Amino acid sequence: NAGVTQTPKFRILKIGQSMTLQCTQDMNHNYMYWYRQDPGMGLKLIYYSVGAGITDKGEVPNGYNVSRSTTEDFPLRLELAAPSQTSVYFCASSSWTAGYTDTQYFGPGTRLTVL
Amino acid sequence: DQQVKQNSPSLSVQEGRISILNCDYTNSMFDYFLWYKKYPAEGPTFLISISSIKDKNEDGRFTVFLNKSAKHLSLHIVPSQPGDSAVYFCAASERNRDDKIIFGKGTRLHILP
Repeated sequence: NAGVTQTPKFRILKIGQSMTLQCTQDMNHNYMYWYRQDPGMGLKLIYYSVGAGITDKGEVPNGYNVSRSTTEDFPLRLELAAPSQTSVYFCASSSWTAGYTDTQYFGPGTRLTVL
Repeated sequence: DQQVKQNSPSLSVQEGRISILNCDYTNSMFDYFLWYKKYPAEGPTFLISISSIKDKNEDGRFTVFLNKSAKHLSLHIVPSQPGDSAVYFCAASERNRDDKIIFGKGTRLHILP
């Protein structure tokens, strides 16, 4: 199992550009998440999904969009990139067991710089 | 307002000694607590968790203690090893509500030779 994979690893964007961060998991997890981590800060939830076709906002969703057309993939779209979106982005997934989500497994992250 | 607080940005401990990482929380509805470990250029990995119905959970060298009345938890690592040098995130959730995890800012642990 590859677990959770993210591409690209690094990216530099100009202000106003757009891009999609890719996330794929091969553990058949129904829950998937996108977090961002700013320097010296904890992880903040951007969006999450409880299954294909279902997404919901987290703590910091502004400036981002997501879709979940398959169980495996959960891409994060940045439209009109801004310097405030400079951060490290982590994708995670978890299963659902006995009424609760299980441990979250994280990808290696995408380091994004907006200049 | 931070609901999960790790007030020590960094901690240095001699190899072989005990490392104690602390975490405070403000939301009394949190019922599940986790510790994640993160190495540079990698994603966080789950370390250990504890339910609010317990006050201690042990897994090998790692023990988490929960003091609900003080809204405080701690992670003990005994004995500390060089590979334990990493950033440790405390996290909490309300499993009976929405399972969303709230993370602290992290504590960087340095194990000294």
